[in-house]
Amino acid sequence: EAGVVQSPRYKIIEKKQPVAFWCNPISGHNTLYWYLQNLGQGPELLIRYENEEAVDDSQLPKDRFSAERLKGVDSTLKIQPAELGDSAVYLCASSLDGREGSTEAFFGQGTRLTVV
Amino acid sequence: GDSVTQMEGPVTLSEEAFLTINCTYTATGYPSLFWYVQYPGEGLQLLLKATKADDKGSNKGFEATYRKETTSFHLEKGSVQVSDSAVYFCALSDRYGNKLVFGAGTILRVKS
Repeated sequence: EAGVVQSPRYKIIEKKQPVAFWCNPISGHNTLYWYLQNLGQGPELLIRYENEEAVDDSQLPKDRFSAERLKGVDSTLKIQPAELGDSAVYLCASSLDGREGSTEAFFGQGTRLTVV
Repeated sequence: GDSVTQMEGPVTLSEEAFLTINCTYTATGYPSLFWYVQYPGEGLQLLLKATKADDKGSNKGFEATYRKETTSFHLEKGSVQVSDSAVYFCALSDRYGNKLVFGAGTILRVKS
């Protein structure tokens, strides 16, 4: 079974340019997460989807970040315009419906963004 | 809000040494507790978990016990191998697994 797939693995852009990351979750997983991992720190939740609905986006900087999950499967995370401080690893994860109890989140390999 | 604190690294051990990585948490309610591992060049992988007090999670020789009285979930392994070299993250979630809150991670280096 394929795991969570993210692309690209690496991205280098100049500041003020737009950038987008793509995530394909594990088949059948209705919950999808985007996490931000700064160097030397643990991941922090940006947004969580239940199917197509963003149920927790309280930590997403909405002035420059946006996300979508069309048809409740794949998701994209966009930054426009990027700033130097956005350099980090962006992780996507998916899990089965968590409402019935604690379920395991499966993570992709992440996209390492460098803004120069 | 909820938070996780884990011991700073890097932790450097010789092969076959005993490993302990300390983790304490602050949370409301009854969180589930996790240890994730990140091997070089790979994504985060769940190592073990415990969903209620006094539960012991175990996998690949690693163990951790959910201690509600001390709000701790320390990771232990009796004999580490070079292949255990990785970054280890302690994390918690609410009972529904809605959001993982991670510690800062601890780098483990095992030398032969």
